[in-house]
Amino acid sequence: AQSVAQPEDQVNVAEGNPLTVKCTYSVSGNPYLFWYVQYPNRGLQFLLKYITGDNLVKGSYGFEAEFNKSQTSFHLKKPSALVSDSALYFCAVRDRGGNNRLAFGKGNQVVVIP
Amino acid sequence: EAGVVQSPRYKIIEKKQPVAFWCNPISGHNTLYWYRQNLGQGPELLIRYENEEAVDDSQLPKDRFSAERLKGVDSTLKIQPAELGDSAVYLCASSLSTPNNEQFFGPGTRLTVL
Repeated sequence: AQSVAQPEDQVNVAEGNPLTVKCTYSVSGNPYLFWYVQYPNRGLQFLLKYITGDNLVKGSYGFEAEFNKSQTSFHLKKPSALVSDSALYFCAVRDRGGNNRLAFGKGNQVVVIP
Repeated sequence: EAGVVQSPRYKIIEKKQPVAFWCNPISGHNTLYWYRQNLGQGPELLIRYENEEAVDDSQLPKDRFSAERLKGVDSTLKIQPAELGDSAVYLCASSLSTPNNEQFFGPGTRLTVL
């Protein structure tokens, strides 16, 4: 079965500094990969996805992620963090040839310090 | 475009009582999902519908949980009777049918069982 690991519970970064949220995945086949963000008392919002093609994917709000097949990683990045980026970030994976189920990581709390 | 609508937003009940959650997906989305999100965890799939058919309900605790999606649009998730361990946020999501499409989430129902 597919799974996701988000190794850090919380990521602290100063406003204006680069932000990275780490994600590694496990699937038996080829993956579809997603990043979602969750603000307090709100549902998850889609940020970006990797389906095929270019390993660098650009998404909403200036976020991007790089698919690395050899390291089975899909880290989320933003060149310059904003205070408003403080939220809970979830990585998710779907196995293309599997049960069509989306498996989420436990999430990373990002705190951007003014 | 209207998003996924869920009600109620919050529900507090005593154990052994029944509870129901309602979801209205984005218009045109054939696929509907119910997830449970425990505190500090990512969402976990309970059931997935393709139109009115439940195509993945293997993770739904069928002794106390039931769901329906009459006419392939709105859906209701029911718990009867509720247990203390059912306290969680119940999220509804919808998407187009192909597996590489992102899911759109509602704000969730926060259930507290006393």
